[in-house]
Amino acid sequence: GAGVSQSPRYKVAKRGQDVALRCDPISGHVSLFWYQQALGQGPEFLTYFQNEAQLDKSGLPSDRFFAERPEGSVSTLKIQRTQQEDSAVYLCASSLTSGRAQETQYFGPGTRLLVL
Amino acid sequence: AQSVTQLGSHVSVSEGALVLLRCNYSSSVPPYLFWYVQYPNQGLQLLLKYTSAATLVKGINGFEAEFKKSETSFHLTKPSAHMSDAAEYFCAVSEHTGGFKTIFGAGTRLFVKA
Repeated sequence: GAGVSQSPRYKVAKRGQDVALRCDPISGHVSLFWYQQALGQGPEFLTYFQNEAQLDKSGLPSDRFFAERPEGSVSTLKIQRTQQEDSAVYLCASSLTSGRAQETQYFGPGTRLLVL
Repeated sequence: AQSVTQLGSHVSVSEGALVLLRCNYSSSVPPYLFWYVQYPNQGLQLLLKYTSAATLVKGINGFEAEFKKSETSFHLTKPSAHMSDAAEYFCAVSEHTGGFKTIFGAGTRLFVKA
């Protein structure tokens, strides 16, 4: 079946522009996660949704970052007034149920964002 | 707070040789532990996970890992490396009480020489 998909795969933005990154989780998956992966680093947690509810946004680095999942399926990560330090790969993952610690997360291919 | 340390950002082995990728964790409670593999321009794929059942965990592609509580380690091994194993490997931890967060190590890039 279809896995997690993300679009666009690559995005180049000028400093100060707003960007929107899309994640399509596996159909029927309740939980959705966003991660930021800087060059040469492991993914870092940004935020978590259970259906449409954003239960944890403690990893969002600033108030320029905003995520939503209005109908409990597709999610959008928005970054306002992008800065060069926002350049990274943004990964989306989904899991079948309630995001319990031991549950397997399925990752998308990521969106590579470059801010010039 | 949880943390994960992967010893060696790069590991190089010859084809057919043993693969050993090291991971140590810090957690105040028994954790869940994961190994993921990332191929270029692809998302992370789960290799195996420890969820407090058997301490020796077998995963896909011939990989296995052993949970050693006394050493707070979860090293990944494969008896015989294949060229297709060349990739980035990430160790990760989440806690029973952590709920939603998974903490990843910085990754180890595995090179396999012919």
